[in-house]
Order: sequence, then C-alpha cells, then structure tokens
Amino acid sequence: SQKIEQNSEALNIQEGKTATLTCNYTNYSPAYLQWYRQDPGRGPVFLLLIRENEKEKRKERLKVTFDTTLKQSLFHITASQPADSATYLCALGSNYQLIWGAGTKLIIKP
Amino acid sequence: KAGVTQTPRYLIKTRGQQVTLSCSPISGHRSVSWYQQTPGQGLQFLFEYFSETQRNKGNFPGRFSGRQFSNSRSEMNVSTLELGDSALYLCASTLLPDSPDLRFFGQGTRLTVV
Repeated sequence: SQKIEQNSEALNIQEGKTATLTCNYTNYSPAYLQWYRQDPGRGPVFLLLIRENEKEKRKERLKVTFDTTLKQSLFHITASQPADSATYLCALGSNYQLIWGAGTKLIIKP
Repeated sequence: KAGVTQTPRYLIKTRGQQVTLSCSPISGHRSVSWYQQTPGQGLQFLFEYFSETQRNKGNFPGRFSGRQFSNSRSEMNVSTLELGDSALYLCASTLLPDSPDLRFFGQGTRLTVV
C-alpha cells in the first residue's frame, strides 16, 4: 500500500544544533516533495519544494534533500532556535495530488 | 494582500446536524482545495475547485460536498454529522490548480461534533 511516514515522536533538539527531520515514502513516484511548517491552531505554511530531478534545495537556514532511490527526504534546520519549534509536514506531489505525512513535532530547547 | 480567510474559526455541532464552512481565497486565486486534519493523521484531501468546477475529489463519503462561487469563494458542507467528523478543516488557495509552491492555507475551522 502507499504510505508516507514521518517520525511520530517529538524531536527534542538543543538550541544552536541542527535539527533533521525525515520523510519516507513507499509505492509513490512523486514529481516533487514539499515541506510545510504548522503552528498550533494555524494552517500549514509552505517552506520548500524540491523536484524529483533535484538532490538538494536550500533557503536560509533550511535545507532539503530528496533521494528517489531511498524514497526519502531529509529536512534540516541549522543553528536551530526556539522559534523553530513547530510541527513540520512533508507532502508528496504525485498524479496531480498532494499526499501528506502526519508531521513531526520539533521542540527546540533553549 | 489579505490571506486565506476561513469562517467560522470554531464550531460545535451535535450528531445528525449539518454544517457549512466558508473559505475566501487570496484575491486573484482561482483554485481552492479543502482538507481534513485529525490528530496523528496527515491532511486528508477532500476536494478541489477551480473556476466553479470540482476538479478532484478525495475518498470521503457523499455527506461531504462543496461548491465554488464566481468570486472564487468556496463552501463545504457536511450533512448528518458523525462524531468522527470532528477535525480541523483547512482550505488552501492557489493561483492555478497546478501551482504546488504557491499554496496558501487558511487558519482552519475547528469542528467539534458532540
């Protein structure tokens, strides 16, 4: 069956360190993959998109990698700050649809 | 530029009732998608509208319906509410249907069915 997996347990990271979140998928051939940030009681906010023919994308302190062989995307936040604490969602674009992971809660401790 | 506006923000209904949620997209955006979000689940796609036409539909029962008006505002309706319909309902707008990196979400409507 088709599945997208994000770490369901909260990720606790010390301020200043790099946070790495994982998104694994099976039985999809996505044309692109997106990462969103969601704060409690708010809608998701788009962060980055990476296409199937791209290996890596960066935006300020954010970096996304996409390995279509491993069927995995990694999302990195360098020099993490308490304000980065939120739930991060990955979403795969496949057959003109967007399929979402359940999200990983990231907690950055001062 | 105003963002995506969803009303109401919170709603409490009893089983068997019906509910209508509203979404006003960003000015100029013509595509609106609706999602259901429950704890521990990814966003579940409900439907997408573009130019007043339903373009795609997710795997939800017929109790869930929607429509889009000529000004691109969209409504979704859930009839005969069940406890399991309690969720955060999100709407997202894009300029065009296939603009993956230009999707903007509203703050959602939190529906509680008791």
